[in-house]
Amino acid sequence: SQQGEEDPQALSIQEGENATMNCSYKTSINNLQWYRQNSGRGLVHLILIRSNEREKHSGRLRVTLDTSKKSSSLLITASRAADTASYFCATDAGGNNRLAFGKGNQVVVIP
Amino acid sequence: GAVVSQHPSRVICKSGTSVKIECRSLDFQATTMFWYRQFPKQSLMLMATSNEGSKATYEQGVEKDKFLINHASLTLSTLTVTSAHPEDSSFYICSAPGATNEKLFFGSGTQLSVL
Repeated sequence: SQQGEEDPQALSIQEGENATMNCSYKTSINNLQWYRQNSGRGLVHLILIRSNEREKHSGRLRVTLDTSKKSSSLLITASRAADTASYFCATDAGGNNRLAFGKGNQVVVIP
Repeated sequence: GAVVSQHPSRVICKSGTSVKIECRSLDFQATTMFWYRQFPKQSLMLMATSNEGSKATYEQGVEKDKFLINHASLTLSTLTVTSAHPEDSSFYICSAPGATNEKLFFGSGTQLSVL
């Protein structure tokens, strides 16, 4: 299987609710990153967590990393309609930015 | 933050023609750039790593003669899809590492449609 493989989910939530998505990977990593993609656009970096970190926050984002289970989760709190997008995790095994992207989670936030 | 500009955003061409896509780092230098291909509602597939002043490194299964990459300056990488065919129709995206080398900045992508 591919590195950085999310559970293929399509989340549809109400504005104000939290959105959680997961990612699993297969090999050792240097870091894991989450990106967001609006339809038909490029990706935007959201947050990076290093292999020696377990949790990280950035604004309304919270990411966790469990290297023993080779999994990560991204939580978006108090979601907004503008959070509607696809979210990808990506793993960097060699620290050289040659990222392996997961399948992505489509999140729809209903106003 | 760093800006990566990608052009064109959309191109429609006839089968057999070649298409060039440009990726520019606008306010920073990029010795390395990455090219990806993305099918609808699917993930990004890394095609190749573009290296300034040297040959690109292609991923397994990617035809280097089909997808020509040139990285002649520290701010510009180009991907040329040669003799394009309908199966080459896809969304192509480039990226470049920022100054901290810990995250990538992406272009806005190019939707290629080959008739």
